[in-house]
Amino acid sequence: AQTVTQSQPEMSVQEAETVTLSCTYDTSESDYYLFWYKQPPSRQMILVIRQEAYKQQNATENRFSVNFQKAAKSFSLKISDSQLGDAAMYFCAYRRDYGGSQGNLIFGKGTKLSVKP
Amino acid sequence: EAQVTQNPRYLITVTGKKLTVTCSQNMNHEYMSWYRQDPGLGLRQIYYSMNVEVTDKGDVPEGYKVSRKEKRNFPLILESPSPNQTSLYFCASSFRADRMEQYFGPGTRLTVT
Repeated sequence: AQTVTQSQPEMSVQEAETVTLSCTYDTSESDYYLFWYKQPPSRQMILVIRQEAYKQQNATENRFSVNFQKAAKSFSLKISDSQLGDAAMYFCAYRRDYGGSQGNLIFGKGTKLSVKP
Repeated sequence: EAQVTQNPRYLITVTGKKLTVTCSQNMNHEYMSWYRQDPGLGLRQIYYSMNVEVTDKGDVPEGYKVSRKEKRNFPLILESPSPNQTSLYFCASSFRADRMEQYFGPGTRLTVT
């Protein structure tokens, strides 16, 4: 069974600086998708970024980028120029890539990010 | 606006009183799913649906029922709620069951006393 591990329960960053959140996963499959979701105090789950396992190029969305290391099964999220609005719980998630599967996202337990002004 | 909606957003009820949490999406997605979020346990899937009239159990289905009579709606039913079902519930949808990211509703905070 696939598992997702986020080893940092809490992180803190100064406004305008850069922070990296870690995520590792375990799978025997070669094709899959990885996501980072953000959950602010409003509790809404917001997609931050996605990465297809077959793509070697790391995904980037504005200030958010990932470092995807397939062999190491590592998927870290880098937030540049941190803003107060980035303060939230961040979840790493895995999804299988073939039909007939349960289709669920497998989540890590989350990292709570604080941003200091 | 493309979205997933849930109602109610907050609900306090008593043990054994049947309740339904509604979920609706306007994106013509085939796949819909329910998750519960608990402190220290993260999000876990309760039930999912591949399409109309096709539903199946997720990882924590005990005490819940679902139905999918229309493509846009996927209600979660608690026939006899118990205190261990106190949780934050999310409905999610995606175009298909694989590859695509899931879009989440705003969440329903349920308290069973």
